[in-house]
Amino acid sequence: NAGVMQNPRHLVRRRGQEARLRCSPMKGHSHVYWYRQLPEEGLKFMVYLQKENIIDESGMPKERFSAEFPKEGPSILRIQQVVRGDSAAYFCASSPTGTSSVGEQFFGPGTRLTVL
Amino acid sequence: GENVEQHPSTLSVQEGDSAVIKCTYSDSASNYFPWYKQELGKGPQLIIDIRSNVGEKKDQRIAVTLNKTAKHFSLHITETQPEDSAVYFCAATSDTGRRALTFGSGTRLQVQP
Repeated sequence: NAGVMQNPRHLVRRRGQEARLRCSPMKGHSHVYWYRQLPEEGLKFMVYLQKENIIDESGMPKERFSAEFPKEGPSILRIQQVVRGDSAAYFCASSPTGTSSVGEQFFGPGTRLTVL
Repeated sequence: GENVEQHPSTLSVQEGDSAVIKCTYSDSASNYFPWYKQELGKGPQLIIDIRSNVGEKKDQRIAVTLNKTAKHFSLHITETQPEDSAVYFCAATSDTGRRALTFGSGTRLQVQP
């Protein structure tokens, strides 16, 4: 049973370019979370999505950042006009579907974004 | 919102000794507390979790305790081994509201052979 998959694993962009990060949740999971980790720090919540719905985006910067989780295909975190401060590791996590209580979150290997 | 504090930031133990990492949380509504292990260049791996209806949970050499009154929880690793060396994160969330995890700042555990 494959775990959470993220690609690319490493992404280098120049200032002003766009970055697209992809996340495929574990089989049977339809809840996806994105977190950002700066060097030597803990993970910070960005956005929580279910299929075709953004449930909570309170941790996401208001500008340049967007996320989607379409009916078909992976979840996408998009960063427009990247700046050096966007350099970080971005992790996706998924949790099981249809539970009334909060479920375990399983993390992918992350995408390490470097902005030159 | 929730705030999670974690101590110590670094911990060095001899192989075979025990290691204890402590976390406190601020939101009394939090009722789910997972612990993650993160190795260099990898994603966090869930190693154990506890819900607020129990005070202790154990899985082989790893145990977690929860004190709801004091709003703190701890990770205990017994008989440490070199492969336990990693960064450990505690986290908290609740069934209501955002369900996003609020993480502590991490503890770098070094097990000396």
